[in-house]
Amino acid sequence: NAGVTQTPKFRILKIGQSMTLQCTQDMNHNYMYWYRQDPGMGLKLIYYSVGAGITDKGEVPNGYNVSRSTTEDFPLRLELAAPSQTSVYFCASSRDSPLHFGNGTRLTVT
Amino acid sequence: QKEVEQNSGPLSVPEGAIASLNCTYSDRGSQSFFWYRQYSGKSPELIMSIYSNGDKEDGRFTAQLNKASQYVSLLIRDSQPSDSATYLCAVQSSGSARQLTFGSGTQLTVLP
Repeated sequence: NAGVTQTPKFRILKIGQSMTLQCTQDMNHNYMYWYRQDPGMGLKLIYYSVGAGITDKGEVPNGYNVSRSTTEDFPLRLELAAPSQTSVYFCASSRDSPLHFGNGTRLTVT
Repeated sequence: QKEVEQNSGPLSVPEGAIASLNCTYSDRGSQSFFWYRQYSGKSPELIMSIYSNGDKEDGRFTAQLNKASQYVSLLIRDSQPSDSATYLCAVQSSGSARQLTFGSGTQLTVLP
């Protein structure tokens, strides 16, 4: 039982490049979330999903896209990377509460 | 815009003292409240959850909730250097997606 697994752990992107942050969970949780955390700040919700095929925007969705084709996977897509997207990204899942977090992806855009 | 506010810190306490962390929230319909601990470079880990008014104790940790005042607090008794971390208050929305809104965190340092 691995919990929530995020890949990669670290990534450096050039401005304008695209990438996908992977997130998978093996707990059969319906709810999945993507948060970003800037230095010294709390977590801001980017997108969330209440089940396979259903996604919705959170507080800071601009510049990101998501899909949820299976219960297990919830990838986050950055299409045109910008320096403002430099952050630590956390994926989380839950059945009811509380959230179970992955170990995070540290992304730098230069 | 649902908001969660925490005292800005940083907070320093001597070893063995009580650390008091505070949080207020704006969504009066919120039902579930959580405290997460986050060590530097790590992901948040849940240390306390509270759902009804009053106090909830778990070992050295006590969470206090006052829904009328929209106030949540965390007390850490007999603080240890290993408690040095950032503490995040999180509030679960009254909507169906159960997403959490987080405060910006309070950095706690316990001095040996």
